[in-house]
Amino acid sequence: QSVLTQPPSVSAAPGQKVTISCSGSSSNIGNNYVSWYQQLPGTAPKLLIYDNNKRPSGIPDRFSGSKSGTSATLGITGLQTGDEADYYCGTWDSSLNTGGVFGGGTKLTVL
Amino acid sequence: QVQLQESGPGLVKPSQTLSLICTVSGGSISSGGYYWSWIRQHPGKGLEWIGYIYYSGSTYYNPSLKSRVTISVDTSKNQFSLKLSSVTAADTAVYYCARDRGGATLDYWGQGTLVTVSS
Repeated sequence: QSVLTQPPSVSAAPGQKVTISCSGSSSNIGNNYVSWYQQLPGTAPKLLIYDNNKRPSGIPDRFSGSKSGTSATLGITGLQTGDEADYYCGTWDSSLNTGGVFGGGTKLTVL
Repeated sequence: QVQLQESGPGLVKPSQTLSLICTVSGGSISSGGYYWSWIRQHPGKGLEWIGYIYYSGSTYYNPSLKSRVTISVDTSKNQFSLKLSSVTAADTAVYYCARDRGGATLDYWGQGTLVTVSS
């Protein structure tokens, strides 16, 4: 059971937009920055979004992040077949001795 | 460009200690400012944060693994390592090392190494 809650799967057609939610609590998302990771099949996760809504160099602006209260959202526009991957949210949990926490992951299917 | 590479045995017997090393290139662990982390992923499952070490040697561990985990650093070799004791089949996973820029923001990852616990 993951500390952060994500939908197991989402799907959309090429060119469309999709959003992936990540729900937590005041001890994690509510008081810390959220990151999002993309994991293509058979590869290591890759940082997509950090500090709730910032993109590392090289990440296209089709990817966006937002946070409100104890929830965060990843948005992907102009979907491409190459976006098919697992997406994870992550953050720090300030509860006593908890540390880093992740969502269970969301499988994106581009139909 | 920072690069991380995990190395270590791919097969460990039950009750033994899993030992992995992460070699960092393109950046110095001893320069500070980052937390050097271990994360694992059980087959077909999500990510699990194991812990991190700072160049000074200070550590922070996942409470569910704390009694069995040791993370150490060798700044002279620009490496950090993971030891997980008393392993069982439940510890079979892909183990990743990564650089944390703070707040569990993991900006560089190794390719991962599969460790299987089996007799």
